[in-house]
Amino acid sequence: GAVVSQHPSWVICKSGTSVKIECRSLDFQATTMFWYRQFPKQSLMLMATSNEGSKATYEQGVEKDKFLINHASLTLSTLTVTSAHPEDSSFYICSARDPPAEISYEQYFGPGTRLTVT
Amino acid sequence: KNQVEQSPQSLIILEGKNCTLQCNYTVSPFSNLRWYKQDTGRGPVSLTIMTFSENTKSNGRYTATLDADTKQSSLHITASQLSDSASYICVSPTGNQFYFGTGTSLTVIP
Repeated sequence: GAVVSQHPSWVICKSGTSVKIECRSLDFQATTMFWYRQFPKQSLMLMATSNEGSKATYEQGVEKDKFLINHASLTLSTLTVTSAHPEDSSFYICSARDPPAEISYEQYFGPGTRLTVT
Repeated sequence: KNQVEQSPQSLIILEGKNCTLQCNYTVSPFSNLRWYKQDTGRGPVSLTIMTFSENTKSNGRYTATLDADTKQSSLHITASQLSDSASYICVSPTGNQFYFGTGTSLTVIP
């Protein structure tokens, strides 16, 4: 099956600094990638939809100037958490959509990145 | 309102026993119903995908059912193993949106 990787798998940063998380589709081209955030014992919450070559679409309540998304190629999307605060500490998961060949297109999830802001 | 609800919230079973997880959805228009397994600290991994015309689908010891009339789905795990300990998430996508349930946390104990 298709593989999505994330880097780094975990990161610790100080308040006020920025951290970049990479999401790569390894064996397919993904025109659309998604960024999720997951707090402990909660389900995934969609933050934004990233489309290759265009601006990301952010969900309501997600600050686009704080969570910068760049989808510069068909295999790479990046999420940069700017001026990080302890409340940004969370598990960030990306997913990539395999181009739909039928109704039930698949969405493949990365392994996640654990961000801790001290 | 598009919603996916799961029960129970958590479950503890003995190794070797069977269990059934429930999912109720009110997502419209219906496209498909998916079950994912999420190990702690990892991303979700797809177990099954069912469309409207499918009412049962198996993947090894995992069997998912779908009742499109009552908008309910279940995931049955047979002969549980310690490695089945994880969160199981029911998802119903429509259009470009994925609607996630809050998951059932399953713990299998020896």
